[in-house]
Amino acid sequence: EPEVTQTPSHQVTQMGQEVILRCVPISNHLYFYWYRQILGQKVEFLVSFYNNEISEKSEIFDDQFSVERPDGSNFTLKIRSTKLEDSAMYFCASTWLAPSYEQYFGPGTRLTVT
Amino acid sequence: DAKTTQPNSMESNEEEPVHLPCNHSTISGTDYIHWYRQLPSQGPEYVIHGLTSNVNNRMASLAIAEDRKSSTLILHRATLRDAAVYYCILRGNTGGFKTIFGAGTRLFVKA
Repeated sequence: EPEVTQTPSHQVTQMGQEVILRCVPISNHLYFYWYRQILGQKVEFLVSFYNNEISEKSEIFDDQFSVERPDGSNFTLKIRSTKLEDSAMYFCASTWLAPSYEQYFGPGTRLTVT
Repeated sequence: DAKTTQPNSMESNEEEPVHLPCNHSTISGTDYIHWYRQLPSQGPEYVIHGLTSNVNNRMASLAIAEDRKSSTLILHRATLRDAAVYYCILRGNTGGFKTIFGAGTRLFVKA
């Protein structure tokens, strides 16, 4: 069965450093997403991406965040200058197109900012 | 985005059926009802979805009320591995078809 993969599984960084989280969505999917989950809290939508541009973003997704699909397979989330409150699990997801299709989520990257 | 209401937690015995309810009284005609679950320390996992008719797959069944204002996820025989947080989510034709998660229902399964 196809799956979304994410690397690394755990990233530790110092406050103020830039991090890039990587995802490989399912190959024929068209919509890509990033979500985050702070420990003990609910999963929060960050951004959706379609046709090489951001389709929608949440209030959390401020200027410190950016997304990119640098080639035909990878989808990345960059945090320019990490803060302590960016510590969370970050999940990548992808879907074919319409809301009638399910989203597939990756296993997540645990980001720890010290 | 239309809102869903789920109980905070439910408990079940192993090998018994579980009925997880969800209310979504403000659902629009184009919203699909999706269920996902999140096992401990894992990413959300798709379970099932439907629009108007009841649906069955290898994991579960979804029963949708005739007025679509509520639905029930049915696990036919709960196992210990089914202990997770279950999310009832409406996905419509908003930009990006994003998934908005609520708090979900935490299912406890007793051996």
